[in-house]
Amino acid sequence: QVQLLQSGAEVKKPGASVKVSCKASGYTFTAHYIHWVRQAPGQGLEWMGWISPNSGGTNYAQKFQGRVTMTRDASVSTAYMELSGLISDDTAVYFCARRTVGPAGGVFWLDPWGQGTLITVSS
Amino acid sequence: DIQLTQSPSSLSASVGDRVTITCRASQFISIYLNWYQQKPGKAPKVLIYAASSLQSGVPSRFSGSGSGTDFTLTISSLQPEDFATYYCQQSYSTPPYTFGRGTKVEIK
Repeated sequence: QVQLLQSGAEVKKPGASVKVSCKASGYTFTAHYIHWVRQAPGQGLEWMGWISPNSGGTNYAQKFQGRVTMTRDASVSTAYMELSGLISDDTAVYFCARRTVGPAGGVFWLDPWGQGTLITVSS
Repeated sequence: DIQLTQSPSSLSASVGDRVTITCRASQFISIYLNWYQQKPGKAPKVLIYAASSLQSGVPSRFSGSGSGTDFTLTISSLQPEDFATYYCQQSYSTPPYTFGRGTKVEIK
């Protein structure tokens, strides 16, 4: 079945960087964009950006421009999200999710999602 | 950026109740609106895409309607497993593909 498996929880110090991986299985990795979404403790969902596993092209939310880098390694069907200059407000669960496009194109939704990776930023 | 306003932010309901959650977009988004369900400690799961299309495997008691700027998620008869937080998300045009702030459905 289609599945996204993310790397494990990490604790980082302020100012550090973190790289989260998202390994896809059960479908052609290069055929679907991967989106990243985060969720701070007790808060809602925040869209961060997407990467095209085929071309490597990316699009980041302005809030994260300059701090986030999304990459992929198609040979191992894995997408990565690296966030630098970590601050305490970056403490959150980070999700990857596959973009699924409707039959007529245009509309898309996120399905499935990875299980989430908790990143804790603490001194 | 397109803002999505969900209401209510929380509600209490009983098993068997009909529940309606609304999502209003700050500008026209056609039918580019999805609904997700999230249970504590779990990843979100899509229920409805393109405003009114039921995702495969999702019970038919869930339905979505609307277009333009106003959208509704309805649960026709609330079941115990439906107690969760629900989010709308717009996928219109260019990013960011914003989410609503969520509606927590609790047991009365």
